[in-house]
Amino acid sequence: GQNIDQPTEMTATEGAIVQINCTYQTSGFNGLFWYQQHAGEAPTFLSYNVLDGLEEKGRFSSFLSRSKGYSYLLLKELQMKDSASYLCAVREEGGATNKLIFGTGTLLAVQP
Amino acid sequence: NAGVTQTPKFRVLKTGQSMTLLCAQDMNHEYMYWYRQDPGMGLRLIHYSVGEGTTAKGEVPDGYNVSRLKKQNFLLGLESAAPSQTSVYFCASSTAQVGNQPQHFGDGTRLSIL
Repeated sequence: GQNIDQPTEMTATEGAIVQINCTYQTSGFNGLFWYQQHAGEAPTFLSYNVLDGLEEKGRFSSFLSRSKGYSYLLLKELQMKDSASYLCAVREEGGATNKLIFGTGTLLAVQP
Repeated sequence: NAGVTQTPKFRVLKTGQSMTLLCAQDMNHEYMYWYRQDPGMGLRLIHYSVGEGTTAKGEVPDGYNVSRLKKQNFLLGLESAAPSQTSVYFCASSTAQVGNQPQHFGDGTRLSIL
């Protein structure tokens, strides 16, 4: 079956580093996406991993281990505006549909 | 630079009423999707389309119909609304040249069924 697990909520302090984990069990794997979603807004794309290793984009980095079915999103130098939900999504198939399976999201609260 | 536009943004319906949600994208994307998002459930795929004139069922298609008569538009219909369909509905689109290309989302339609 398909299963994507993320912690429901996390709290971190402004200026700190936080790691949001995602584990997945899917019938296939063709890439993993991280999205950010502020309350009442649309999800916006943050990062993409398809090979093992770390992808860095400014304050945000994402890591993937395909053998372990595991990814994490690392947010550095946290800012108050980083308070949002972070969604992990797996693309099971190749390019025929680009369908994604989403986790339930991790609500991150950044405190002063 | 509109991207993906959803109309309406908010709607309240009575049980049994019908309505259509419209999604329009100006990025010339081949693929389009309709999701619903409920607390604690994440985004769940209702229907999707890989091209003009084609549609397919997603994870939770019951009670919904879709049409893709033009490449830029994807319509989601509720024939007889039920309270269980109270949700936030998101439309998304993506290019067929997938690789690292993500889905792009609209701002959502907040639908309440009384």
